[in-house]
Amino acid sequence: DTAVSQTPKYLVTQMGNDKSIKCEQNLGHDTMYWYKQDSKKFLKIMFSYNNKELIINETVPNRFSPKSPDKAHLNLHINSLELGDSAVYFCASSQGWPPPGQLQETQYFGPGTRLLVL
Amino acid sequence: TQLLEQSPQFLSIQEGENLTVYCNSSSVFSSLQWYRQEPGEGPVLLVTVVTGGEVKKLKRLTFQFGDARKDSSLHITAAQPGDTGLYLCAGGTGTASKLTFGTGTRLQVTL
Repeated sequence: DTAVSQTPKYLVTQMGNDKSIKCEQNLGHDTMYWYKQDSKKFLKIMFSYNNKELIINETVPNRFSPKSPDKAHLNLHINSLELGDSAVYFCASSQGWPPPGQLQETQYFGPGTRLLVL
Repeated sequence: TQLLEQSPQFLSIQEGENLTVYCNSSSVFSSLQWYRQEPGEGPVLLVTVVTGGEVKKLKRLTFQFGDARKDSSLHITAAQPGDTGLYLCAGGTGTASKLTFGTGTRLQVTL
């Protein structure tokens, strides 16, 4: 069974369109994330939700709106797509608290959604 | 803004060679993680280090966290083609959820 799944895997669309990417985790985790990985492979956090509540919101255009219907799902809706939105978007999840002595949780990443805006 | 610079950016070596990847910052991190990402997949955690000066070994991989907790290194002994991938360091700042990822090192190991 896939732990963190994303759909679609590939998304090719025209500038100005609105699109959504879906993410589901079956690990029972409390925290979920969206990351953007650009063409230089730089991975940057966009949003994080804990138990359906937004806890991290980095400097991201308002055209990006995350939605968490329940703690196992975190979807990303993008309005008015621009050329610069082309990237790989990764969903991730983590337990919500670090293991004893670790200070930092393990994040489990999905396979990514490759978005190409033409 | 916290930045984690990795070097080298690219590394192409032959099977059996040793290599070291560096991850440097001017900021202090409470923890440092290393991830490996293979083409078409998401990053996978290799290790977490939390104490300045800490050294962890994972088979042929040795990870070190700098004494001042601003830098880290990953050393691979006798590299194998299966080690090929993108290596990412990631710093934690005490807020357990938030990670700042490094600029990445692409490693290719050929026969």
